[in-house]
Amino acid sequence: EAGVTQFPSHSVIEKGQTVTLRCDPISGHDNLYWYRRVMGKEIKFLLHFVKESKQDESGMPNNRFLAERTGGTYSTLKVQPAELEDSGVYFCASSLATGPWAGELFFGEGSRLTVL
Amino acid sequence: EDKVVQSPLSLVVHEGDTVTLNCSYEVTNFRSLLWYKQEKKAPTFLFMLTSSGIEKKSGRLSSILDKKELFSILNITATQTGDSAVYLCAAGRTYKYIFGTGTRLKVLA
Repeated sequence: EAGVTQFPSHSVIEKGQTVTLRCDPISGHDNLYWYRRVMGKEIKFLLHFVKESKQDESGMPNNRFLAERTGGTYSTLKVQPAELEDSGVYFCASSLATGPWAGELFFGEGSRLTVL
Repeated sequence: EDKVVQSPLSLVVHEGDTVTLNCSYEVTNFRSLLWYKQEKKAPTFLFMLTSSGIEKKSGRLSSILDKKELFSILNITATQTGDSAVYLCAAGRTYKYIFGTGTRLKVLA
């Protein structure tokens, strides 16, 4: 069974440019999450999808970040325009849980974003 | 504000030693706590804990949760060099997990 896959593994862009990160969750997992780790800090929650619906986007830093999950399968996270402080590793995770909590999260390898 | 604190930040031991990693949490409406091992890229799942006092075991690793004192520990016995990694703890309510900064464990041969 394929795990959570993310693309690209590393992206280097200049300040002001746009970057789109993609995540393919484990097949059949309705729950998809984006987390981010900036250097030296803990992994932080960005948002949670159930199928194509955003359930919680309380962790999104600002309106330069846009996440979508059209059709309830893969998800994209777009940063436009990118700023220096957006540099970090963006993790995607998925879970199967249908109960009152997320249960086990399965993580991808992350997309490292470097903004120069 | 919700927070998770892990200690120690880093640890160096020799093969065969036993280690205990700590995770304390303050999370509103706490539901579950997860432990992960991160070697290079993707964090890999170790344990999910939801009930106090029930030990989870997997080989040389074990973990327990104390919901009264708001902490969890992860024990690794007879450590091996392959146990070298960052160990992450995450405490969650519903679908949102709060992560600690991790404990970096290095096991020397």
